[in-house]
Amino acid sequence: GQSLEQPSEVTAVEGAIVQINCTYQTSGFYGLSWYQQHDGGAPTFLSYNALDGLEETGRFSSFLSRSDSYGYLLLQELQMKDSASYFCAVRDGQAGTALIFGKGTTLSVSS
Amino acid sequence: DAGVTQSPTHLIKTRGQHVTLRCSPISGHKSVSWYQQVLGQGPQFIFQYYEKEERGRGNFPDRFSARQFPNYSSELNVNALLLGDSALYLCASSSGQGGYGYTFGSGTRLTVV
Repeated sequence: GQSLEQPSEVTAVEGAIVQINCTYQTSGFYGLSWYQQHDGGAPTFLSYNALDGLEETGRFSSFLSRSDSYGYLLLQELQMKDSASYFCAVRDGQAGTALIFGKGTTLSVSS
Repeated sequence: DAGVTQSPTHLIKTRGQHVTLRCSPISGHKSVSWYQQVLGQGPQFIFQYYEKEERGRGNFPDRFSARQFPNYSSELNVNALLLGDSALYLCASSSGQGGYGYTFGSGTRLTVV
C-alpha cells in the first residue's frame, strides 16, 4: 500500500530552525509535496520535489532522497505565524493525480 | 483573482439526510478534486474531475458521488449521511491534471447529528 509517516508534533521557539521529516512508501513515485494548514483552514502549497536535493523558497526549504524514500521540510527563522499543521503528500499513481497525505505534523512556535 | 470558492462554509445535517457541497475552481482551472479531512488527520482523496470527466476515485462508498459542470465548477453529493461523515470537505483546483501545486478552498465543515 501507499503510506506516509511524519511526526505528529514539533515544538520550537521564535527564530529557531525546525525540520519536519517524512518517509513514504508508494507504488510509483511522482514527487513529494508539502502543504501548510492553519487551524482547519485551506491547505496551502509550500513546495514540491521531484528530484533528489534541496529546493529553497525563502525561509522554507524542502529536501528529497528518492533512494531513501525520505524527505524533509526545513523552516528557518521561525515566526509565531508558522504555528500550523504541515503535511507531506505524494501522488497516488492509481487514482489519476490525486494526492495521498500524511497525517500531518503540528508545529507550535513559542516566544 | 478569486481563489477556490466553496459553499456552504458550515452545514449541520441529520443522519440519513442528503447533502450537496459546491466548489468553484480558480478561473481557467479545469481540474477539481474533492478531499475529506477528519479532525486530526490529513486530507483523504474522494474524487478528481478533469474536463468534466472523472479521472480518479478514492476509497469511499457509493453514497458519495460528484460531477463537474461545463463551467468547471463541481458538486459533491453524499447520501444517507452517517455520523462518521462529519468532516471538513475540501475542494482543490489545478490548471492541468497536475499532481502537485493544488490550490485548496477553505472547505465546508459538515456536522452530522
